[in-house]
Amino acid sequence: LAKTTQPISMDSYEGQEVNITCSHNNIATNDYITWYQQFPSQGPRFIIQGYKTKVTNEVASLFIPADRKSSTLSLPRVSLSDTAVYYCLVASGFQKLVFGTGTRLLVSP
Amino acid sequence: GAVVSQHPSRVICKSGTSVKIECRSLDFQATTMFWYRQFPKKSLMLMATSNEGSKATYEQGVEKDKFLINHASLTLSTLTVTSAHPEDSSFYICSASVGQSTDTQYFGPGTRLTVL
Repeated sequence: LAKTTQPISMDSYEGQEVNITCSHNNIATNDYITWYQQFPSQGPRFIIQGYKTKVTNEVASLFIPADRKSSTLSLPRVSLSDTAVYYCLVASGFQKLVFGTGTRLLVSP
Repeated sequence: GAVVSQHPSRVICKSGTSVKIECRSLDFQATTMFWYRQFPKKSLMLMATSNEGSKATYEQGVEKDKFLINHASLTLSTLTVTSAHPEDSSFYICSASVGQSTDTQYFGPGTRLTVL
């Protein structure tokens, strides 16, 4: 199972773009990269998933370089409600997920 | 789509009693469900993998006789904490997946267990 490394915490202000980078040097060929968001006392919520290059949905973008050893979650124009813990995970669909420490994002006014 | 529910959302019980937590996939059939526990300000820790119609696979260090898991149908898995003790107090979260190669796990809202 690929191990991921993320910054423990990040601070931002409302309206700014936030980029959270995750390292996964041992990612396997079949692994996908998935990001989840978790608020206190709630289950993680799926944000975005990708395999390579760039993926964009209504809430975020995911940038994956050609070597796939890292990925960057981009949150455009964050608001106070984006304050949460963000987890990066890599696995193929049949595998169990191993959660790292995640990144605590604090958005201030 | 892809909604997973848990019941109850929170439960308080006395030490020595057993507590059952249900995890349901509401709009899809889940061949595999996972159970996690999470302590305050910590990450999720996988407890076991539950496959419909077969025995659960427990992670190292998780007592299978204490945390009974049943996955009787493609939409329901249950976790029973037997003879609960205060150290079992935690946030229990389930997730469900269809089981395809590109599959995403969808998580329930969690159950807060407090053992007095």
